[in-house]
Amino acid sequence: NAGVTQTPKFQVLKTGQSMTLQCAQDMNHEYMSWYRQDPGMGLRLIHYSVGAGITDQGEVPNGYNVSRSTTEDFPLRLLSAAPSQTSVYFCASSDGQGSQPQHFGDGTRLSIL
Amino acid sequence: RKEVEQDPGPFNVPEGATVAFNCTYSNSASQSFFWYRQDCRKEPKLLMSVYSSGNEDGRFTAQLNRASQYISLLIRDSKLSDSATYLCAAHPNTGNQFYFGTGTSLTVIP
Repeated sequence: NAGVTQTPKFQVLKTGQSMTLQCAQDMNHEYMSWYRQDPGMGLRLIHYSVGAGITDQGEVPNGYNVSRSTTEDFPLRLLSAAPSQTSVYFCASSDGQGSQPQHFGDGTRLSIL
Repeated sequence: RKEVEQDPGPFNVPEGATVAFNCTYSNSASQSFFWYRQDCRKEPKLLMSVYSSGNEDGRFTAQLNRASQYISLLIRDSKLSDSATYLCAAHPNTGNQFYFGTGTSLTVIP
């Protein structure tokens, strides 16, 4: 099993550009989530989904959109990139609603110039 | 006030030493607690859950103190391979939010 796969691993954007961070899992997990990790701030929840067609906001959702059309995929979209969104992004999955993130992807290092 | 707070360290300990980290949480209604390990430039990995009765997994022991609202992680007989950042996380009683601490850095020295 591949687990949780994130692409790309690295990305540099200019302010105002949009992009989509991809996340896919092959464990048939219902719960998926996106976190960003910044120095001194720890991991902060951006958006999460408890199943296909269901998404909700986390702690820091502004500037990001998500969708969950299938159980496997949970893409994160940056609508208009800002330097404050420079961060490392992790996608995670778990096998139950509300359960702890069990599997993280390798992360996407995103820089906004 | 942050939901979960940790001493960032760094903790530098010799091989074989015992080291303990604490993590405080602000929401007294939090029900579930976890420790994660994160190696440099890698993803977090779930280390263990924290139960009221304590939880032991080999050299690692996790404890919960509800009265003082903190969880702890004890590592006995430290190995070089234990060098990493340890993150604690709390899950409130309701909803699907998880709150992570900023992590505590541990370096085990030969």
